[in-house]
Amino acid sequence: DTAVSQTPKYLVTQMGNDKSIKCEQNLGHDTMYWYKQDSKKFLKIMFSYNNKELIINETVPNRFSPKSPDKAHLNLHINSLELGDSAVYFCASSPRGAGTGANVLTFGAGSRLTVL
Amino acid sequence: AQTVTQSQPEMSVQEAETVTLSCTYDTSESNYYLFWYKQPPSRQMILVIRQEAYKQQNATENRFSVNFQKAAKSFSLKISDSQLGDTAMYFCAFMSGGSQGNLIFGKGTKLSVKP
Repeated sequence: DTAVSQTPKYLVTQMGNDKSIKCEQNLGHDTMYWYKQDSKKFLKIMFSYNNKELIINETVPNRFSPKSPDKAHLNLHINSLELGDSAVYFCASSPRGAGTGANVLTFGAGSRLTVL
Repeated sequence: AQTVTQSQPEMSVQEAETVTLSCTYDTSESNYYLFWYKQPPSRQMILVIRQEAYKQQNATENRFSVNFQKAAKSFSLKISDSQLGDTAMYFCAFMSGGSQGNLIFGKGTKLSVKP
């Protein structure tokens, strides 16, 4: 059973379209994240949600809107896609609070978005 | 702002040999965590090893161990008895103790294990 699952794994679309990537975790974690990996493999955090509340919002265009309907799901919606949005988007989750397990992130398999 | 530097873009090692990947970081904080993640061609991000800054003892996980030099802000990864399945990108990452999950990654080292 996949711990953090993302759909779709691959997405090819035209500039200007709107698309969504879904993420679900079955680990019972309270915190979920979106990370972006660019063409040079550099990874950077975009957002984090703790029990449906936005905690981290890095400098990301407002065309990107995360939505967390419950603590097991964190979806990423992207409006008016641009060429520069082509990347691999990783969802991740972690437990909440202090302790040895609190800050270990479990990543999904990534969703490769290609904008033409 | 914290930064993580991996100075070796690519490395190669013969199967069964030992290889060390370098990582340095910059921070003014005292409470933080350091990680090595592995990304094989499958793209999955896999946690290799984790170190708490307050622990002096170097973390080990089977064939993987770290050399944590806190004063030098160095966190290298040693892979012993390298296996073909170790071929992957390796990312060093820093997390502030109060950051709630903001991992700051280095640019990665591409490791190739040759038969």
